[in-house]
Amino acid sequence: AQTVTQSQPEMSVQEAETVTLSCTYDTSENNYYLFWYKQPPSRQMILVIRQEAYKQQNATENRFSVNFQKAAKSFSLKISDSQLGDTAMYFCAFMTDNYGQNFVFGPGTRLSVLP
Amino acid sequence: NAGVTQTPKFQVLKTGQSMTLQCAQDMNHEYMSWYRQDPGMGLRLIHYSVGAGITDQGEVPNGYNVSRSTTEDFPLRLLSAAPSQTSVYFCATAPSGLETQYFGPGTRLLVL
Repeated sequence: AQTVTQSQPEMSVQEAETVTLSCTYDTSENNYYLFWYKQPPSRQMILVIRQEAYKQQNATENRFSVNFQKAAKSFSLKISDSQLGDTAMYFCAFMTDNYGQNFVFGPGTRLSVLP
Repeated sequence: NAGVTQTPKFQVLKTGQSMTLQCAQDMNHEYMSWYRQDPGMGLRLIHYSVGAGITDQGEVPNGYNVSRSTTEDFPLRLLSAAPSQTSVYFCATAPSGLETQYFGPGTRLLVL
C-alpha cells in the first residue's frame, strides 16, 4: 500500500522569506503522480502544483516549486517570497497510474506566514 | 460555471439519523469521489465513481452508501449516523481517474 508522510506538523516563516515543506512517500509503482494541495481557513482544497514521476524536470508554478527526488521518494515544496495569503494547511498527495484511482494524502503541514 | 458544489455546508445530526450529502458538478467529469477529513489524518477516500452507473469503495467505506445515476451528481448517504462520522466531507471530480482532482467546498457534519 502507498503511504505519504509529512514530518512537519507545523511551520512558520516570515513574510517575503522562503520556506520548504517536506514530503516522503512509499510505493512500489514506477509510474505515478504527486501533488501539493493548499487548504486555507476557508477549507477549500486548492491545487498548488503537480509532478509526473516520469518527468525529471521539477515542476514550477510562479513562487511554488518542487524538489522531486524519485530514488529517495521525496517531494518537497518550496515557497519563495512568502505572502500572508500563503497561510494554510498544505497536503502532499500521491496517485498511482492505475485507472480507478488510488489517491493518498499525507496528514498535512500547517504553515503560518508572519508579518 | 459553478464547478463542484456541495450541500449542505453544515449539518448537525443525532445518532441513528440518516441523511444525504449532495455533490454536483457541471464540468462533465467522469470521475467523482468522496473524502472525509479528520484532524491529523489528511483526507481519506470513502467511495469513488469512474462514470455513471459505476461505483467502488475507497479506504473507509463502512457506514456510507453512494450511487451514480447521472454524470453530474454523486450523493453520499449515511443510513444511521454515528458520532465517529463527525468530520468534514469533500467531494472531488476529475476528467478521468488519472487526472488532477478538483474539490468542492466541503460539508461539515456533526453527529451528536
